Amino acid sequence: EAQVTQNPRYLITVTGKKLTVTCSQNMNHEYMSWYRQDPGLGLRQIYYSMNVEVTDKGDVPEGYKVSRKEKRNFPLILESPSPNQTSLYFCASSLSKQGNVGYTFGSGTRLTVV
Amino acid sequence: GENVEQHPSTLSVQEGDSAVIKCTYSDSASNYFPWYKQELGKRPQLIIDIRSNVGEKKDQRIAVTLNKTAKHFSLHITETQPEDSAVYFCAALEAGYSTLTFGKGTMLLVSP
Repeated sequence: EAQVTQNPRYLITVTGKKLTVTCSQNMNHEYMSWYRQDPGLGLRQIYYSMNVEVTDKGDVPEGYKVSRKEKRNFPLILESPSPNQTSLYFCASSLSKQGNVGYTFGSGTRLTVV
Repeated sequence: GENVEQHPSTLSVQEGDSAVIKCTYSDSASNYFPWYKQELGKRPQLIIDIRSNVGEKKDQRIAVTLNKTAKHFSLHITETQPEDSAVYFCAALEAGYSTLTFGKGTMLLVSP
């Protein structure tokens, strides 16, 4: 089944403890992206990648890192999480490098930083 | 960068009525406009999209219209059903960039 898989689905952590949210797609998509969803703010892009070893900042990149060492994987790294990073995170992928073909979203990761 | 405004933030209709959600965008160079539906506790899913060289697109009960001059696009749902209840997001992709900018979403409630 074609899908984007995120792990974990739920995560509660403490301020400053490094964490990684994994994202993997099995559709051979070029484009991958991370969004955070907050009430009243919609979906805001954190980082995106158009190909292996090519990443770029979205609208809200502060406090996050990403890597794209393989085409299928695009992990999101929070080196020192803070409470304002408590949010619902979605990974997405698209067949098109430019992102102008519909995104497929993962199931989401609900992160709570205390 | 692109800015997408979406209205209304909530919309309540009776089953069988039509629903219209409107979005405006700021950059006239934007050329791709998808709509996503997010049911409670689930991921956003693409329901329809339109490109700047097309004025209207239909898929069964849903349609999207685009007015490039006015820089707005709308989602139309006819004969609404309770299962249409969800949050709907519009988005715009600025030409030459790879970032989809989303509106803040519209919560649609369809009452039986």
